[in-house]
Amino acid sequence: GENVEQHPSTLSVQEGDSAVIKCTYSDSASNYFPWYKQELGKGPQLIIDIRSNVGEKKDQRIAVTLNKTAKHFSLHITETQPEDSAVYFCAAGDSNYKLTFGKGTLLTVNP
Amino acid sequence: NAGVMQNPRHLVRRRGQEARLRCSPMKGHSHVYWYRQLPEEGLKFMVYLQKENIIDESGMPKERFSAEFPKEGPSILRIQQVVRGDSAAYFCASSPRTSGGKETQYFGPGTRLLVL
Repeated sequence: GENVEQHPSTLSVQEGDSAVIKCTYSDSASNYFPWYKQELGKGPQLIIDIRSNVGEKKDQRIAVTLNKTAKHFSLHITETQPEDSAVYFCAAGDSNYKLTFGKGTLLTVNP
Repeated sequence: NAGVMQNPRHLVRRRGQEARLRCSPMKGHSHVYWYRQLPEEGLKFMVYLQKENIIDESGMPKERFSAEFPKEGPSILRIQQVVRGDSAAYFCASSPRTSGGKETQYFGPGTRLLVL
């Protein structure tokens, strides 16, 4: 089955700096890669996703890049703000429905 | 638009009791997924259901766990004879009817189950 590795497990940045979280996956059949943000005590909230027919997608301060050859994808957050502090999860899915999640990255943005 | 609803938000059970977790998908969504999250872990797929059908339960433990999504009413995840190892956060997600390919899954707030 699919295996998703996520790094780093914790990330601390200063407000205004950029944050990058990286994930690798094992199954070449995976073609859908969402990123979720989870705040304490809440459910995961989709922040951006990318499908395998594109290499990059951007939404305001958030961008995701995908390298299918290397089987890795990354989340980039620019101009970080304290409210960006949360746990971020990457996931990989195939053409069906099953998502395999990474173990998460705790992002702390220091004012 | 109401999002995915889950209740209860917190549930405490003693070992051997039954736990029933409910999930109401977003309006217009006919696909429901259940995931389990252990402390400091990612979410693990448990089961995928459509109305009155279990499509994939490959992530469900073989015993004590069952799920349903009836024609009317919420989806139910049922855990019989709970043990301490069942303590976790259980999340439900829903997606709209698809015409092919994956659709985005939207998650509810979760039910935190604590087994004493």
